[in-house]
Amino acid sequence: GAVVSQHPSRVICKSGTSVKIECRSLDFQATTMFWYRQFPKQSLMLMATSNEGSKATYEQGVEKDKFLINHASLTLSTLTVTSAHPEDSSFYICSAQQGSEKLFFGSGTQLSVL
Amino acid sequence: RKEVEQDPGPFNVPEGATVAFNCTYSNSASQSFFWYRQDCRKEPKLLMSVYSSGNEDGRFTAQLNRASQYISLLIRDSKLSDSATYLCVVTPSGGYNKLIFGAGTRLAVHP
Repeated sequence: GAVVSQHPSRVICKSGTSVKIECRSLDFQATTMFWYRQFPKQSLMLMATSNEGSKATYEQGVEKDKFLINHASLTLSTLTVTSAHPEDSSFYICSAQQGSEKLFFGSGTQLSVL
Repeated sequence: RKEVEQDPGPFNVPEGATVAFNCTYSNSASQSFFWYRQDCRKEPKLLMSVYSSGNEDGRFTAQLNRASQYISLLIRDSKLSDSATYLCVVTPSGGYNKLIFGAGTRLAVHP
C-alpha cells in the first residue's frame, strides 16, 4: 500500500483563493519532505525542501510567501498556495524520506485555478 | 542548459520491439543516477538505479558513462504496459536527496 498519502488528488478553485495540500507519511517518520511542481510535458521541478521543525529551504525562483510550507510533525507536511492564480495551475507532488533512506512519492495533486 | 536532458519522444514501437532511451546530465559532480517511470498525472515510480558497471533488471538494462555524462535505458521485448514516460534522474550528492528530473521520454507501445 501507499506509504505517502497526498490529499487532495484534485482541486479546482477560483483565482485569489488559497489551497492547502497535505502530505503524510503513513508508516515511517519523514525527517525530510520535498515538494515538486510539474507543468504539462515538463520535468518535475523541486520547489522546496522541508525538515521537521525548521523552515523550508526554497529553490531559486520559488516565492516562499506564495508557497507556504509547514512541516510541524514527522508525519505531516503541508503546502499552501496562497492567492492562487491561473498560472499556478499545475501538478504538485510531495516526497518523503526517513534519514538517508529511499524516498517515497505521494500520488500528486492536480490544481486548476479558474 | 538544462541539468538533465532527454529526447522527449514520443517513441512509438510495436510490441516486442527493443527501444533505447538516452539522457545527458550537466553536473559532473552528480553522484547517483536513476530511471523512473511516470504514467500520466501519476507519481513517478523508481524503475532502477544506474551504476557505472551497468545493471539489468529483467527486460530493462541501464548504463552509466561518467566520462561522457551519459545514461541509457534499454527495454527489450516491449509490452503494452511499458507505455509511459521514462524520467532520467540524478542527484547532486550521494543518496536520494534532492532529485533532479529530466523532462522525460514518452514511450507508446502498440499492438
